[in-house]
Amino acid sequence: SQQGEEDPQALSIQEGENATMNCSYKTSINNLQWYRQNSGRGLVHLILIRSNEREKHSGRLRVTLDTSKKSSSLLITASRAADTASYFCATRNNAGNMLTFGGGTRLMVKP
Amino acid sequence: GAGVSQSPSNKVTEKGKDVELRCDPISGHTALYWYRQSLGQGLEFLIYFQGNSAPDKSGLPSDRFSAERTGGSVSTLTIQRTQQEDSAVYLCASSLALGLVFVTQYFGPGTRLTVL
Repeated sequence: SQQGEEDPQALSIQEGENATMNCSYKTSINNLQWYRQNSGRGLVHLILIRSNEREKHSGRLRVTLDTSKKSSSLLITASRAADTASYFCATRNNAGNMLTFGGGTRLMVKP
Repeated sequence: GAGVSQSPSNKVTEKGKDVELRCDPISGHTALYWYRQSLGQGLEFLIYFQGNSAPDKSGLPSDRFSAERTGGSVSTLTIQRTQQEDSAVYLCASSLALGLVFVTQYFGPGTRLTVL
């Protein structure tokens, strides 16, 4: 079963705009990770934020984590057509070995 | 270095047949994971291997599913008597050892399984 929900399920924006995706989860976590997937294959790790961190940056990506609300957001700034993909959040709890994924957000960036 | 590789990339089989899916993890990664991605269920954890420890099989959906990891490296996921609901993309990932380290899992390109 999926750990959490992501919203929106689909997002369509123009190139240059910012894209914000949200993720909520249910249980205590060790860390939360964001992945990107093109064309239903090949998950690519984007960024990991630890449970004791609140914000993290990597290039055009900004991730926030609010453990009190059990939620995270991924912001992609100055989007490009090449950012078109599905984005998933995934959590790893303190005891488990596996990642539990959200349902994903399908992002389309129009040129 | 090379990433996680999986084979075959696509597999079409008939209902009732057995299939084997292969995963080659990143060299030096002692942890290996199998996930399944299907339309109805999203991304689901199936099984996890860590070194010589007993695998965590808690995500396997039925006893038709099994996996092994030989020599602490290559892993094979076997699905016996395939059913149409087994159709999905099967993703393998590997990582460094767990413990107190915040590890990243690196995913392979997946095997798309279609059961007719």
